[in-house]
Amino acid sequence: QKEVEQDPGPLSVPEGAIVSLNCTYSNSAFQYFMWYRQYSRKGPELLMYTYSSGNKEDGRFTAQVDKSSKYISLFIRDSQPSDSATYLCAMSMIKAAGNKLTFGGGTRVLVKP
Amino acid sequence: ETGVTQTPRHLVMGMTNKKSLKCEQHLGHNAMYWYKQSAKKPLELMFVYSLEERVENNSVPSRFSPECPNSSHLFLHLHTLQPEDSALYLCASSQGTGDGNTIYFGEGSWLTVV
Repeated sequence: QKEVEQDPGPLSVPEGAIVSLNCTYSNSAFQYFMWYRQYSRKGPELLMYTYSSGNKEDGRFTAQVDKSSKYISLFIRDSQPSDSATYLCAMSMIKAAGNKLTFGGGTRVLVKP
Repeated sequence: ETGVTQTPRHLVMGMTNKKSLKCEQHLGHNAMYWYKQSAKKPLELMFVYSLEERVENNSVPSRFSPECPNSSHLFLHLHTLQPEDSALYLCASSQGTGDGNTIYFGEGSWLTVV
């Protein structure tokens, strides 16, 4: 069993729809959770960073963490064609320089105009 | 523009060649990383340097040799690679305080081994 599971997609939605992405994990020691966006042939860029269970909102993006269920989500409201990318979840156990992040495989999202 | 720059962006090398990938971070961070991204596989951590000392080597074959001469620069020396080593190699950096878990990636070096 992989430590972090993420549906590879592709997830295709019409412009303006809500995009819902999620990851499940098996290791309860994960404490810190991140979402990255990766455009084709580019490096991943950090979108959201969360620590505690609950919701965190940043513009059109909402990150949700449920540690009891070992489940994290990312919601994108009012999706735009520019949101078409691969979204990677990542998580780690400690907060220190040189820490190890464990990534999901990424979900490819396509927002159609 | 990213605070982590990688060169070259694209590299094609034969199995007997020796080449190097270079990474420079302009963010004042104190940890740097090499990750490998292959098609249909999650990002794989290869090496971690914290304060210029290697703190993790994730069972990477010796044909990959990292070097971290200072906190801003990181190299990945490549020799006698195999075709299955063709992938996107990503450099990243992070700071150990504040949101120390967030790492920032460069745009990657696309490597093709022929």
